[in-house]
Amino acid sequence: GNSVTQMEGPVTLSEEAFLTINCTYTATGYPSLFWYVQYPGEGLQLLLKATKADDKGSNKGFEATYRKETTSFHLEKGSVQVSDSAVYFCALSDQGAGTALIFGKGTTLSVSS
Amino acid sequence: DVKVTQSSRYLVKRTGEKVFLECVQDMDHENMFWYRQDPGLGLRLIYFSYDVKMKEKGDIPEGYSVSREKKERFSLILESASTNQTSMYLCASFGRTPYEQYFGPGTRLTVT
Repeated sequence: GNSVTQMEGPVTLSEEAFLTINCTYTATGYPSLFWYVQYPGEGLQLLLKATKADDKGSNKGFEATYRKETTSFHLEKGSVQVSDSAVYFCALSDQGAGTALIFGKGTTLSVSS
Repeated sequence: DVKVTQSSRYLVKRTGEKVFLECVQDMDHENMFWYRQDPGLGLRLIYFSYDVKMKEKGDIPEGYSVSREKKERFSLILESASTNQTSMYLCASFGRTPYEQYFGPGTRLTVT
């Protein structure tokens, strides 16, 4: 079945460091891929998405490229801020399955000044 | 902006109680979902619904049921709460334009 694997955390960085959170997926067909962010005490917010191979999603300085050949959707940011401290979830949606999302286990990012 | 609201942010119930978690969305979305979030396990799908009075089991439906009598409202029901149902519960609705799921703030349920 479909699944998402993302790197385990926590990830601890200093402000202005480069961030990569790895995400790989297993899916039949052509899923859409998402990164969601959850700030402390809040629900999930969509950070970025890509709906087909080679698409790049970007938002708030974060980027991720849909790589079909490596079945990956790694999240990157060139310079993190303390305010980026949160839990990040990679997810996929197989349209044939009716748009329910399959999530990775989440990666906690902690950025210190 | 799409708004998904959940009836409670925090809830404490006793073992054996019947628990209702309510979710309302204001965007006329057809698809709605209930997820459960646990540390180290991510989010897991409990139930979803494509339309009024329609429901489908997700990955972990045992111990739960749902109700969708109106398009905007999707309720999760714990018929007899147990301590292993202590968790964060997240409701979501899906829109096709743009293509994304919108989440509510979550209900943190503690069963003692």
